[in-house]
Amino acid sequence: QSVLTQPPSVSGAPGQRVTISCTGSSSNIGAGYDVHWYQQLPGTAPKRLIYGNSNRPSGVPDRFSGSKSGTSASLAITGLQTEDEADYYCQSYDSSLSAVVFGGGTKLTVL
Amino acid sequence: EVQLVESGGGLVQPGGSLRLSCAASGFTFSNYWMSWVRQAPGKGLEWVANIKQDGSEKYYVDSVKGRFTISRDNAKNSLYLQMNSLRAEDTAVYYCARPLYGNKGLFDYWGQGTLDTVSS
Repeated sequence: QSVLTQPPSVSGAPGQRVTISCTGSSSNIGAGYDVHWYQQLPGTAPKRLIYGNSNRPSGVPDRFSGSKSGTSASLAITGLQTEDEADYYCQSYDSSLSAVVFGGGTKLTVL
Repeated sequence: EVQLVESGGGLVQPGGSLRLSCAASGFTFSNYWMSWVRQAPGKGLEWVANIKQDGSEKYYVDSVKGRFTISRDNAKNSLYLQMNSLRAEDTAVYYCARPLYGNKGLFDYWGQGTLDTVSS
């Protein structure tokens, strides 16, 4: 059981908008630690997608956005494209565990 | 160009040992914390260990404490993970990654991963 909770799967049609939630607690997201998001395409290493809750590295399309509120964070993807099919992971830090923590991952299917 | 290249994975029996290596290039290795992150087959990502720039601080996930040791050689731009008393549940792809937030993560570069299979 992951410290950060994500839905196992989400889906959407091309062009639609989807959101992926990441729910934590008072010892991680709620304690003020930043949330970062990674995209993992099939058979490849993860790639940084969003950092510091809502910032995009250069080269990441503005279709991807992140937000954080209280003990949760969200990743939104607008204008879905087939190449967005991947696994998405949130990551933060947990002060009770003194550990980097990941969400369990969410598989995005573009219908 | 930043590159992280892992090596050393393979098949090992339960109770055995394995040493993973990660060769870094394209950045000043000694200026950065480094980490190992693993992914069991068909499962999610799990942080394993972090090490500070000079090796003076090391952190581990509870499940590997006392069995795994992270180390580095800044002269060789290399990161290591010594894994002892291996269990079936340690079977995973092990990634070397660079955490921009020190021991708090934000991994901006990842290696391609090396597969470690623990089985009899």
